[in-house]
Amino acid sequence: NAGVTQTPKFQVLKTGQSMTLQCAQDMNHEYMSWYRQDPGMGLRLIHYSVGAGITDQGEVPNGYNVSRSTTEDFPLRLLSAAPSQTSVYFCATLSDTGLGYTFGSGTRLTVV
Amino acid sequence: DQQVKQNSPSLSVQEGRISILNCDYTNSMFDYFLWYKKYPAEGPTFLISISSIKDKNEDGRFTVFLNKSAKHLSLHIVPSQPGDSAVYFCAAANTDKLIFGTGTRLQVFP
Repeated sequence: NAGVTQTPKFQVLKTGQSMTLQCAQDMNHEYMSWYRQDPGMGLRLIHYSVGAGITDQGEVPNGYNVSRSTTEDFPLRLLSAAPSQTSVYFCATLSDTGLGYTFGSGTRLTVV
Repeated sequence: DQQVKQNSPSLSVQEGRISILNCDYTNSMFDYFLWYKKYPAEGPTFLISISSIKDKNEDGRFTVFLNKSAKHLSLHIVPSQPGDSAVYFCAAANTDKLIFGTGTRLQVFP
């Protein structure tokens, strides 16, 4: 089915390890973004991209890197994981009509 | 600084009654507002939206009201059903960014 695919669904990391959360979409949407969801904090924007080759910071970008080499993929990298990055991460795209975001099913990350 | 606030973390409503979820924002530059519904272990799903040039938008049982002077929007669900039990997030859009509130957990009981 068309939509936003996130991998992995679950991940446990040790402090200091690095990893990449994958996000892929097949809707040809230019806009993609990453959010993290924490209890009592709602969904907070980490990074976003308005098209291939263009990325920008959101509300909470520190500790995360992104790149956008293709329209389809928008990976989120943690270079040195910290316990404060334990969260559920969601990738989202926005249609060109600007009406409504489509979210992936999330990646639950635990940093110990 | 929380630009979008949902001050009620939870709401409990009897089936058949009206559910009213509230949201306040601080940035007058937001020009589009959305409501999302989220079930456990799933991503948020789009529910309803409203442009800043309107004060009401209706879609079936769901109605969103916008009061720009008060920087306040609300979601009304009538009648409430048990399947509506979920976490509801309001969100405000400005150019390239979508900012979410902290969410309200709605529970609809029989």
